[in-house]
Amino acid sequence: GAVVSQHPSWVICKSGTSVKIECRSLDFQATTMFWYRQFPKQSLMLMATSNEGSKATYEQGVEKDKFLINHASLTLSTLTVTSAHPEDSSFYICSARDHPDGWRPQHFGDGTRLSIL
Amino acid sequence: GQNIDQPTEMTATEGAIVQINCTYQTSGFNGLFWYQQHAGEAPTFLSYNVLDGLEEKGRFSSFLSRSKGYSYLLLKELQMKDSASYLCAVRDSNYQLIWGAGTKLIIKP
Repeated sequence: GAVVSQHPSWVICKSGTSVKIECRSLDFQATTMFWYRQFPKQSLMLMATSNEGSKATYEQGVEKDKFLINHASLTLSTLTVTSAHPEDSSFYICSARDHPDGWRPQHFGDGTRLSIL
Repeated sequence: GQNIDQPTEMTATEGAIVQINCTYQTSGFNGLFWYQQHAGEAPTFLSYNVLDGLEEKGRFSSFLSRSKGYSYLLLKELQMKDSASYLCAVRDSNYQLIWGAGTKLIIKP
C-alpha cells in the first residue's frame, strides 16, 4: 500500500521551456504533499508543502512564481517549472502523507530527473 | 539554527554489522526517521523513533536518545544491496522534516 506515482521520470528540454511534473497517490488520499529538490550528492531540500484545495507553502528562497504547485485533489499534485534554465536541472521528488498525524512517514515518488539544455 | 549531523561515508564488509550515527539540534522534536536512498532513486522509509529506545525491524534497528539528541541505525548481516545512502530526518515542533545530508554506505565483499 501507500504507492506514490511520479511522472515523467526523466525530462530533457530546452532553456525557456515550462515543464510539468505530476505526483499521484494511487491507493490512498494524500492530505499533504511535499515537493523536494535534490542536487547530486546533496540531501533533499524541501521546496514546498501543499494541502489539497489550498495554496502551497513555499520554503524560504524558493520562487513561487517559478515553481507553480497545484494540489487540485486528494490524489494529485503538480509542480510546474516555468521558463526553466540550466540551473534548474535537478532531481525533483514528491512525497505524500496518508494521514494528518505528523508522525506518519512520507511516501516518496520515484523522482523526476530534469535536464535543461 | 537547526542541524542534523551524520558521517558522510562509511565502508563495511558483507555479512558484518554497521552502525550509522545521527546527532541533531532542532527546535522541538516530534520524531526521527531513517530513510534508505539508492543512487538515482527516491528515498524509502526504514524506521521511525519518537520514544527513547531501540526499534527493531528485521536486519535493521534504530535507536533514539532524546536527551542526547542522538540516534543510530544498525544494519546487521550486511548484503551488497544495502549499499546506499542512509538519511536521518527529524520532525521539529512545526512538524517540518529536517534532513541530514545522508551517509553513503559502501559494502565490500
